[in-house]
Amino acid sequence: DIVMTQSPLSLSVTPGEPASISCRSSQRLLHSDGHTFLDWYLQKPGQSPQLLIYLVSNRASGVPDRFSGSGSGTDFTLKISRVEAEDVGVYYCMQGLQTRTFGQGTKLEIK
Amino acid sequence: QVQLVQSGAEVKKPGASAKVSCKASGYIFTGYYVHWVRQAPGQGLEWMGWINPQSGGTKCAQKFQDSVTMTRDTSISTAYMELRRLRSDDTAVYFCARGSPTGGSYYGMHVWGQGTTVTVSS
Repeated sequence: DIVMTQSPLSLSVTPGEPASISCRSSQRLLHSDGHTFLDWYLQKPGQSPQLLIYLVSNRASGVPDRFSGSGSGTDFTLKISRVEAEDVGVYYCMQGLQTRTFGQGTKLEIK
Repeated sequence: QVQLVQSGAEVKKPGASAKVSCKASGYIFTGYYVHWVRQAPGQGLEWMGWINPQSGGTKCAQKFQDSVTMTRDTSISTAYMELRRLRSDDTAVYFCARGSPTGGSYYGMHVWGQGTTVTVSS
């Protein structure tokens, strides 16, 4: 099974400052169709998860452009250019190459 | 609009079964995979499996292969997840989510249900 490892597991950010979350997979996530099957999800307090980014860098509909995803192979990053109060919650990466596996989650708090 | 509406909370005794439903609306039900994901109290997300509503084919995480059955009723655009032989550590919120198109490329899980709490307690 593919293991997903996130870091850090928590971060506290001042509004307006940037934030970055790393995700590493135990195997390359490159599919034979040329796409890399890596998503990012945000679960806000008391809510269902929501898709932020799919296929490494594609923002889901309605996701602000302050969110961006990058990476390749086994190393991926989610960046928030300027954190806002509404960004608090737990961020998960997920691989979609072999069944599905989530990372442990990264809790983002506002300072 | 596109939405998934799940059934209500359940309380079950150890050894019993629980069946959660997920009703789709606003899109062609057979056009997209449906995934099941659970979250134990204070814990992260755990993928359980998917069902192809068009064919009825399923794929489960190895951990759930002997205890989970996923089905669908296309006439009412509803997917079901049944968890058998419940244990206390099955206490969790269970989510359904719409995945990739059944005939298309990878898409992530764009739409999620509101979650169903299943509590296992004697």
